Order: sequence, then C-alpha cells, then structure tokens
Amino acid sequence: DQQVKQNSPSLSVQEGRISILNCDYTNSMFDYFLWYKKYPAEGPTFLISISSIKDKNEDGRFTVFLNKSAKHLSLHIVPSQPGDSAVYFCAASAGRGSARQLTFGSGTQLTVLP
Amino acid sequence: GAVVSQHPSRVICKSGTSVKIECRSLDFQATTMFWYRQFPKQSLMLMATSNEGSKATYEQGVEKDKFLINHASLTLSTLTVTSAHPEDSSFYICSARKGTLNTEAFFGQGTRLTVV
Repeated sequence: DQQVKQNSPSLSVQEGRISILNCDYTNSMFDYFLWYKKYPAEGPTFLISISSIKDKNEDGRFTVFLNKSAKHLSLHIVPSQPGDSAVYFCAASAGRGSARQLTFGSGTQLTVLP
Repeated sequence: GAVVSQHPSRVICKSGTSVKIECRSLDFQATTMFWYRQFPKQSLMLMATSNEGSKATYEQGVEKDKFLINHASLTLSTLTVTSAHPEDSSFYICSARKGTLNTEAFFGQGTRLTVV
C-alpha cells in the first residue's frame, strides 16, 4: 500500500518554462513533507520542505504547495534549467522523536530540454 | 549543509560472501540513521532504522539476520549483507538525521552492490 504516490514517472519541460511535479498521499498523520533531487548513482539531496501548518513555501526557483484537504502537494520549478534534470522524490513524515521516518514516493524523472 | 559519507560507492562480491557498507556523518552527530534500498526506477524503500547504542528496528519483510546493522557511535552506522545472493544486488543508501526533532535527513552517496 503506497502511502506516497507520484503518478507521473517522467516529465519533459522546455528550458525557461515552469516544471510542476505532483505528489499525493493517503496517510492523514503525515505532518511534514519534503522534496529531494537525485542523480543516478548518488544519494538524494534535500531541496525544500513544508510543514502541514503551511500551504506554501518558497526558496528561490523552487516553491512547494500543499493542499491538505486534497492530500496533494506539488513542486514548482521556475524557470527550469537543464541542470534541473534529475529524479525528484516526494517524501512525507509522521511520528515523534526517533520514530520519525520518511516515506518516499516512486519518483518523477524530470528532463529539461535546452 | 550536513555531510554524510557512504563507503564503498560500488562493490562486486561473490555469492555467499558478506559485504559491509559504512555510513558516516562527517560534521554532526546522528542519533538516528536509516538504511534504504532502491530498485531500478522505484522508490527508496526503508529497510531499517538504527539508533546509536541500541538494536536496529527493521521494517516488515527485511531479514534482520541477513542485513546486520550496527550503530556503534553517533557518527557511524554499518550495514552488513551476509551470505549475499544475486537478488541482493541493489542500490543501498543510508541517511542520517540531526537530533530527534529535525525531520530533514541527509543522505550518503549510495552503494551499488552487485552479487555475482
């Protein structure tokens, strides 16, 4: 049972345009959400996060939107750059203290075309 | 940002042998470290959570006798794949978390294990 879902395995966007990556979750106990970027044969690197008490968080070209009622979050990258081409994982967290774990979606391969 | 180093990055071993993978937090103390496994084009699947000085907590379906985890210090956790088989070939990734309140986890570079 996948608690975090990324239904689009891949996305292609023209350089300079907006990239929108989507993520849905089913567990209402999740209270913190993160986006990670991953290149082949490397570990994920943290991009941006959002707490469930907010609906938007912005950091430079990256903005994450959270719609709690729809259990949906999205990552917007604008403008998209070729260096943004990577796999993007959505992750969600619940629990307290040392029990906090990250549950990952299956990832979306973003390709930014020059 | 925090740095987590994972070693080795690639390892090829013969079937039946054991392989140890190290995960170190270089500039912070990690009370909790996590071990993940990633199959091609799939998500990172949590294998176990390891807290310094105590036994690891394994996820359902992960054989604790096959995947031995030791978290002997606040900066080092090791995963040993015992009696490796070709089906254990995968990409293994560790992550470390600062303290117990911080949700953000920092990942190692991953280890590509190939069992022949």
